[in-house]
Amino acid sequence: GNSVTQMEGPVTLSEEAFLTINCTYTATGYPSLFWYVQYPGEGLQLLLKATKADDKGSNKGFEATYRKETTSFHLEKGSVQVSDSAVYFCALSKLYNQGGKLIFGQGTELSVKP
Amino acid sequence: GAGVSQTPSNKVTEKGKYVELRCDPISGHTALYWYRQSLGQGPEFLIYFQGTGAADDSGLPNDRFFAVRPEGSVSTLKIQRTERGDSAVYLCASSLKPTSWSSWTEETEAFFGQGTRLTVV
Repeated sequence: GNSVTQMEGPVTLSEEAFLTINCTYTATGYPSLFWYVQYPGEGLQLLLKATKADDKGSNKGFEATYRKETTSFHLEKGSVQVSDSAVYFCALSKLYNQGGKLIFGQGTELSVKP
Repeated sequence: GAGVSQTPSNKVTEKGKYVELRCDPISGHTALYWYRQSLGQGPEFLIYFQGTGAADDSGLPNDRFFAVRPEGSVSTLKIQRTERGDSAVYLCASSLKPTSWSSWTEETEAFFGQGTRLTVV
């Protein structure tokens, strides 16, 4: 079945460090891939997405590239800030006949220290 | 409203009791989703509504769980004979358009509420 696996946290970085959070997926066909972020006390928010192979999603300095050959969608940011501290979820969706329901990874907590 | 609203934000109930969790989606959104998030895990899909009808309820764990959306707006997730294992955060999401057979579009983006934390003691 469809599934998402992401690296375990928590991840602790110093401000301005480089961030990578790994995400791999298992799915038949051609899913859309997403990164969601959950800031403390807030609901899940869409951070970025990619809908086909080799697409790069980007937002707020974060990037992720849809790699079909490695079934991966790793999240990267060149210089993290304290305000990036949150829990990050990788997710996939197969809109085709599934109404856009999302399958999430287990989440990776990021803590950025000044 | 401005966003997806879920009430109550917290609910503590005794084992065996019945609970109802409410979701008010963004006005005009036709698709509505329920997810359950256990501690340290990602959200797990429960049920999806297109308008008033449940288009996909494959994620409901058993027949103690039921959800309705009678007028195509507000939805209620109902849990009978609650068990301690039902303790989790229940998330609701809505999107402007229902199912799409094409690629993702902004109209199918799901917006999440802050969730209801259910604790069964």
